[in-house]
Amino acid sequence: GAGVSQSPSNKVTEKGKDVELRCDPISGHTALYWYRQSLGQGLEFLIYFQGNSAPDKSGLPSDRFSAERTGGSVSTLTIQRTQQEDSAVYLCASSETGDYTYEQYFGPGTRLTVT
Amino acid sequence: AQTVTQSQPEMSVQEAETVTLSCTYDTSENNYYLFWYKQPPSRQMILVIRQEAYKQQNATENRFSVNFQKAAKSFSLKISDSQLGDTAMYFCAVQGAQKLVFGQGTRLTINP
Repeated sequence: GAGVSQSPSNKVTEKGKDVELRCDPISGHTALYWYRQSLGQGLEFLIYFQGNSAPDKSGLPSDRFSAERTGGSVSTLTIQRTQQEDSAVYLCASSETGDYTYEQYFGPGTRLTVT
Repeated sequence: AQTVTQSQPEMSVQEAETVTLSCTYDTSENNYYLFWYKQPPSRQMILVIRQEAYKQQNATENRFSVNFQKAAKSFSLKISDSQLGDTAMYFCAVQGAQKLVFGQGTRLTINP
């Protein structure tokens, strides 16, 4: 079946602009995760959605970052007033449930470059 | 809190050799999983192998095996008969609560 998909694959934006990154999880997966992979920080957790529960936003680095998940499926990560330090690869993952025993499947990521 | 440390930023071996990547971790969770992920230049994170912490037997997947030392909080990956396609970044990770916590990665190059 289809895996996790993300769009766009690459995004170049000017400092101060807003960007939206999209993630389509595997059909039927109730848990969805966003991670950021940057040169200085490695891979870090951003936010987690599980079904209709309130998301775990504990990894969001600032209030310029937000995410939503509509209808329990597609998720959008929004970065407002982008800064150069936001340049990174943003990875999305999904799993059948949020239970730690279930494998997370990753998408190919969106490479964001802020100029 | 959970932390993962990979002490080898880069490694390089010849094709067909065996290579071991090191990983140590810390977690306050009683039940957790440990993972090795491979990330080739395509950026796709691929699960290589995983280990349930409550299982003493080391996990194996074909040429990939782990040496899990729970008391020492060590989780190394051994790749036997290495192949050119094994060239990638390798990340060790721990999952106790919902999120994965990753190490900084080891860049592995297999030379022909």
